[in-house]
Amino acid sequence: GAGVSQSPSNKVTEKGKDVELRCDPISGHTALYWYRQSLGQGLEFLIYFQGNSAPDKSGLPSDRFSAERTGGSVSTLTIQRTQQEDSAVYLCASSSYTTFLAELTYEQYFGPGTRLTVT
Amino acid sequence: AQSVTQLDSQVPVFEEAPVELRCNYSSSVSVYLFWYVQYPNQGLQLLLKYLSGSTLVKGINGFEAEFNKSQTSFHLRKPSVHISDTAEYFCAVRRIQGAQKLVFGQGTRLTINP
Repeated sequence: GAGVSQSPSNKVTEKGKDVELRCDPISGHTALYWYRQSLGQGLEFLIYFQGNSAPDKSGLPSDRFSAERTGGSVSTLTIQRTQQEDSAVYLCASSSYTTFLAELTYEQYFGPGTRLTVT
Repeated sequence: AQSVTQLDSQVPVFEEAPVELRCNYSSSVSVYLFWYVQYPNQGLQLLLKYLSGSTLVKGINGFEAEFNKSQTSFHLRKPSVHISDTAEYFCAVRRIQGAQKLVFGQGTRLTINP
């Protein structure tokens, strides 16, 4: 079946502009995650959605970053007034229940990422 | 809080040689452990996971890992590597209860030489 998709695959923007990154999770997956991958910081968690609510926003680096999820499906990560340090690959993942020896566990399935370059 | 340390940032090996990628973690609570692989210009793909039970877990592409609770380690091994195994490998942990986020190590770049 279809995996997690992200758009655009590449985005070049000027410092100070706003950008929107989109994630389409696997159909039926209730949980959605955003991560950021940069040379200096490695892979960092940004935010987690369960349905349309975000119980964990602890990884958002500043108030310029926000995210929403609508209809329990598509999510948009918005970065306002972009800075050069925002340049990174933004990865989205989704997950749902899998059963393993009567335990409910979550495996996260990752999209290909959006490479953001701020000039 | 959880943290993950991958002891080698780069590992070069010859084709058909064995390889071990090392991972140590720190956590005050019980965690699940994962290894992900990232091929060039692609997203992350799950290689294998440890949830419970047997400490030796087998994954895709001939990889396996052993969970050692006393040493808080989860090293990844393959007995004979192929050129196609060239990629970046990430070790990650996730709390069993509570926070759903994955905490990743810095990654190990595996380069296979012919």
